[in-house]
Amino acid sequence: QVQLVQSGAEVKEPGASVKVSCKASGYSFISYYMHWVRQAPGRGLEWMGFINPSGGSTKYAQRFQGRVTVTSDTSTSTVYMEVSSLRSEDTAVYYCARTWSDYYHFDYWGQGTLVTVSS
Amino acid sequence: EIVLTQSPGTLSLSPGERATLSCRASQSVSSSFLAWYQQKPGQTPRLLIYGASSRATGIPDRFSGSGSGTDFTLSISRLEPEDSAVYYCQQYGSSPRTFGQGTKVEIK
Repeated sequence: QVQLVQSGAEVKEPGASVKVSCKASGYSFISYYMHWVRQAPGRGLEWMGFINPSGGSTKYAQRFQGRVTVTSDTSTSTVYMEVSSLRSEDTAVYYCARTWSDYYHFDYWGQGTLVTVSS
Repeated sequence: EIVLTQSPGTLSLSPGERATLSCRASQSVSSSFLAWYQQKPGQTPRLLIYGASSRATGIPDRFSGSGSGTDFTLSISRLEPEDSAVYYCQQYGSSPRTFGQGTKVEIK
């Protein structure tokens, strides 16, 4: 069955970087895009960007351009999302979610990774 | 960027009643690329509806979606206690993908 398993919770200081992983199994990794969506405490969902593991092309929401980097490792079926220059407003649960193509709905989600930014 | 506005903010209904949730887009959503997700406290969002009206695998037929252009609706007939959750609409027809702010459904 399809599974997206994310890395564990992180606590970072302001200005630091964090890298969250999402390991996929149960399907052909390169056949699906992987997106990142975040949810601040008590807030709604916010799309950040995606990667097409077949070729490595990426697209980011304008507000995250330059501060978020999504990469993939096809040998381990894992996608990574790195956020740099962390600030307190980046405290959120970060989800990976897959789509069949660029303009498609999210059919499977990871369990979420809580990133806390605090001094 | 397409802004999605959901209403009402909170819906409080009794078991067996029908819930009607609205999602209005600031501009037309291309090809009805609109989805609905259910999120229970502490859980991951779950896909309910895609393409505005197609139910995802395993979703009971009590859930139905309709609409096109800028106005979309999620209906839940015969509410059950387990339907208590926040429901989000999302458009995926243009970038950036955007979500509505959510409608909380409470079961009395």
